[in-house]
Amino acid sequence: AQSVTQPDIHITVSEGASLELRCNYSYGATPYLFWYVQSPGQGLQLLLKYFSGDTLVQGIKGFEAEFKRSQSSFNLRKPSVHWSDAAEYFCAVGRMDSSYKLIFGSGTRLLVRP
Amino acid sequence: EPEVTQTPSHQVTQMGQEVILRCVPISNHLYFYWYRQILGQKVEFLVSFYNNEISEKSEIFDDQFSVERPDGSNFTLKIRSTKLEDSAMYFCATRPGQTNYGYTFGSGTRLTVV
Repeated sequence: AQSVTQPDIHITVSEGASLELRCNYSYGATPYLFWYVQSPGQGLQLLLKYFSGDTLVQGIKGFEAEFKRSQSSFNLRKPSVHWSDAAEYFCAVGRMDSSYKLIFGSGTRLLVRP
Repeated sequence: EPEVTQTPSHQVTQMGQEVILRCVPISNHLYFYWYRQILGQKVEFLVSFYNNEISEKSEIFDDQFSVERPDGSNFTLKIRSTKLEDSAMYFCATRPGQTNYGYTFGSGTRLTVV
């Protein structure tokens, strides 16, 4: 069965520091991979997605992610974090079948120190 | 940018009551979904809907739940007899076409069952 693991429940970084959020997936075929961000009480905003091709994907708000098939990982990175990046981040894998449903990880809450 | 609109944003209901959550999909989107997020937990797939029928549903989506597009525009989720454990944020999401993974999520309805 497909699954997504985000091993870090909370991460705290200082403003201006670099960030890496980890995501590992389990999927039998080439996955469709996504990162979403959720601010408190808000909906889900797509940061970036990977379908195929270049394994380094650029997204909005200065985020990028790298797909590593050998490690079954899709880690999210940002070189310099801003206070407004504080939010919950969800990694998700998509199944390419009749429903195209998304399977989400349990999320990583990012706290940003001033 | 087109949006998925959900109403109401908050709903409080008594246990055992029926609730209907409403979603207005993006006009040219063909695939519709409901996802649920219990407070502090990950986002979970409930059901997918295409061509006026359910294409896939999760174990959570039992006989208490139903979905429909009553007027060809709104997409609704009905919970017949709410339980305390139905308290969650419910997200509607829509997608354009079969090979397009371009999900758009609504901002959610927070359901509180008391």
